[in-house]
Amino acid sequence: AQSVTQLDSQVPVFEEAPVELRCNYSSSVSVYLFWYVQYPNQGLQLLLKYLSGSTLVESINGFEAEFNKSQTSFHLRKPSVHISDTAEYFCAVRNSGNTPLVFGKGTRLSVIA
Amino acid sequence: EPEVTQTPSHQVTQMGQEVILRCVPISNHLYFYWYRQILGQKVEFLVSFYNNEISEKSEIFDDQFSVERPDGSNFTLKIRSTKLEDSAMYFCASNKDRGTDTQYFGPGTRLTVL
Repeated sequence: AQSVTQLDSQVPVFEEAPVELRCNYSSSVSVYLFWYVQYPNQGLQLLLKYLSGSTLVESINGFEAEFNKSQTSFHLRKPSVHISDTAEYFCAVRNSGNTPLVFGKGTRLSVIA
Repeated sequence: EPEVTQTPSHQVTQMGQEVILRCVPISNHLYFYWYRQILGQKVEFLVSFYNNEISEKSEIFDDQFSVERPDGSNFTLKIRSTKLEDSAMYFCASNKDRGTDTQYFGPGTRLTVL
């Protein structure tokens, strides 16, 4: 069975500071990895994903995540956050085929002016 | 850009009542899912649906739950006799192909059981 651990339930950070949201997974097979973002009162939006190839993946709004197979991690980073990045961030994993996503508990990122 | 839509956005019901949550997946998608998120907890998989039948379901998806694709556009989740612990945000998702395709989520329906 797969599982996802997001160690930090809440991360407060000042505007323009860097941030890292941690995600570790466990799986006995190859996986695909995702970060979803949930803005207040909205649904889940895909932020970025790792399927294969380059281990560093980027989103259009400045976030990046690096797949590290040896450490079974897929941490999300941004060098300089904005107020508008305040949201809940979910790491998710699934294996190939059309299997369901397995989510972590989420990390609430609060950006402080 | 096409998106998954869900109705209603909020549903309040009495314990023991039946509810139907509705979803319209993206039009050319073939795989459909329901997930739920109890307040403060992680998003959990309920059921997946393909080719007019359930392809996978979780332990949560017991006999009180059913899904249906009554026409070419809607995908519904029915809870036959709601319990207090069914209160949650319910998300519908869809994707087009097997394998690497991304699941796209709707905005969710917040179900409150009193």
